[in-house]
Amino acid sequence: EPEVTQTPSHQVTQMGQEVILRCVPISNHLYFYWYRQILGQKVEFLVSFYNNEISEKSEIFDDQFSVERPDGSNFTLKIRSTKLEDSAMYFCASKGNTEAFFGQGTRLTVV
Amino acid sequence: AQSVTQLGSHVSVSEGALVLLRCNYSSSVPPYLFWYVQYPNQGLQLLLKYTSAATLVKGINGFEAEFKKSETSFHLTKPSAHMSDAAEYFCAVSDGRRGGSQGNLIFGKGTKLSVKP
Repeated sequence: EPEVTQTPSHQVTQMGQEVILRCVPISNHLYFYWYRQILGQKVEFLVSFYNNEISEKSEIFDDQFSVERPDGSNFTLKIRSTKLEDSAMYFCASKGNTEAFFGQGTRLTVV
Repeated sequence: AQSVTQLGSHVSVSEGALVLLRCNYSSSVPPYLFWYVQYPNQGLQLLLKYTSAATLVKGINGFEAEFKKSETSFHLTKPSAHMSDAAEYFCAVSDGRRGGSQGNLIFGKGTKLSVKP
């Protein structure tokens, strides 16, 4: 069964460093998303991506965040200068028609 | 704007008992509604979805949910809880008019289900 894969599963970084979270969506899907879940809180929408551009983004997705689909298969989330409050589980999702399929997540810990 | 309210951050039931997890939504447009389950240290798995067809939706693992427009509800039920059902459950809504790129999901805060032997 096709699945969304995310790497790494866990990343620890120092405050102020840049991180790139990687995702390989399901191959025939066209819509891609990043969500995050701070420990103990709800899953929050960050950004949606279609046709090689951002289609929608939340207030959380400020200038320190960017997304890219560099090679037609990977979908990346870059956080330019990480802050302590960026520590969270980050989920990638891709969608065909109606339902989104989620990856297992990357747990980002900023120290 | 759309939003989801899940009543009860924690629900505890005995094995074999009825499971009822409540979800109310707010949407100014026809909604698509979803229930996702998250097992510890795992991602989100789709349990079931409502996309404007039948109002009673059956999902995996014996779960079902009924869309009630008059009550703006989409409660999740299972007749008989199993120990393996212990997990966190998230209700989510998206814009039913825009099934593609604009249809990002808005999640509720989640309900943690515990099942006692």
